[in-house]
Amino acid sequence: GAVVSQHPSWVICKSGTSVKIECRSLDFQATTMFWYRQFPKQSLMLMATSNEGSKATYEQGVEKDKFLINHASLTLSTLTVTSAHPEDSSFYICSAGTGGGGYEQYFGPGTRLTVT
Amino acid sequence: GQQLNQSPQSMFIQEGEDVSMNCTSSSIFNTWLWYKQDPGEGPVLLIALYKAGELTSNGRLTAQFGITRKDSFLNISASIPSDVGIYFCAGLRGTNAGKSTFGDGTTLTVKP
Repeated sequence: GAVVSQHPSWVICKSGTSVKIECRSLDFQATTMFWYRQFPKQSLMLMATSNEGSKATYEQGVEKDKFLINHASLTLSTLTVTSAHPEDSSFYICSAGTGGGGYEQYFGPGTRLTVT
Repeated sequence: GQQLNQSPQSMFIQEGEDVSMNCTSSSIFNTWLWYKQDPGEGPVLLIALYKAGELTSNGRLTAQFGITRKDSFLNISASIPSDVGIYFCAGLRGTNAGKSTFGDGTTLTVKP
């Protein structure tokens, strides 16, 4: 149980284009999902908290107009990187909590974004 | 902000050896979590600890929640090649899982 998927697993796009990444909880409902960014050999950096049916909460320093988050249902959150630049190239990982009083997060497999 | 000091940063060991790693903080946490991340994958939860002094095992893995609530330890016994990866600790104060503070990771290499 507690499986989270991400799509695509990797994507290459040209500078100036937008890319959408999907995060799905496959066997549970997630009212809250989280989006992280990870640079090589570094830890995870929380970008935003995605709340079903409401606006996402962004961490300090994360541009909300550049990283658009939509949590349209209890099983799907999307992250759109708008007007991508090479410095946006990174590993993006989503996670979801199962609720029920547990504080664990279950992570998706990640999406490798390369902007050329 | 909150910081976790995870050590060692990397380890190179022989198959069959035991491994120990730890995380320390100047702040108190109510929950400690240990994750393993394989290359190109998302982290996978290994062990969750909710109570000071708690000792929990998951197969060959054992983790402890420090009595002071400022540290946690992860031990791996009789390592095997598939233990290779990056191990992250995470501390949580409240109930918002997204507010976990992650350590910088311990990269484990196991030589057959």
